[in-house]
Amino acid sequence: EAGVVQSPRYKIIEKKQPVAFWCNPISGHNTLYWYLQNLGQGPELLIRYENEEAVDDSQLPKDRFSAERLKGVDSTLKIQPAELGDSAVYLCASSLEGSVDEQFFGPGTRLTVL
Amino acid sequence: AQSVTQPDIHITVSEGASLELRCNYSYGATPYLFWYVQSPGQGLQLLLKYFSGDTLVQGIKGFEAEFKRSQSSFNLRKPSVHWSDAAEYFCAVGAASGTYKYIFGTGTRLKVLA
Repeated sequence: EAGVVQSPRYKIIEKKQPVAFWCNPISGHNTLYWYLQNLGQGPELLIRYENEEAVDDSQLPKDRFSAERLKGVDSTLKIQPAELGDSAVYLCASSLEGSVDEQFFGPGTRLTVL
Repeated sequence: AQSVTQPDIHITVSEGASLELRCNYSYGATPYLFWYVQSPGQGLQLLLKYFSGDTLVQGIKGFEAEFKRSQSSFNLRKPSVHWSDAAEYFCAVGAASGTYKYIFGTGTRLKVLA
């Protein structure tokens, strides 16, 4: 069974540029999460989807961050414009719908903003 | 509010020695507790989880953890460490309902000496 797929794995951009990250969850997992992981820190939730609906986006900085999951499967997280402080690893995870059970994580996208 | 504390940022042990990683949590009800491991450039992998029942839980790769309600702790142990265990370890507490949100600790980086 394929795991959570994320691309790109690495991205280097200059500040003020836009950037997008893509995630494809495990087949059958209706819940999708985007996490931000700063260096030396644990992951912090940005947004959680149940199918197409963003049910928890309270930690998403909406002035520059946006996310979508149009068909309830794969998802895109966008930053526009990127700032130096956005340099981090962006992790995607998925789980069965409405469950606190195991979340399965992708390898992450490491973003460097110059 | 939920919170997780991992008091040890770095731990170094010799190969073959025993290991204990500490985790303390704060949560208003019975928590759902998890230990994840993250190898360099990889996503997080679940080692074990506690939802209810036996307070000593067994996980993958020879790890175990003990839930101690009186101490609000969920420490991870392994009797004999292998060089391949070198990684970062994260403890997380999950909400049993509603947001199903995970709160992660800041992680403990394990170094194994040959």
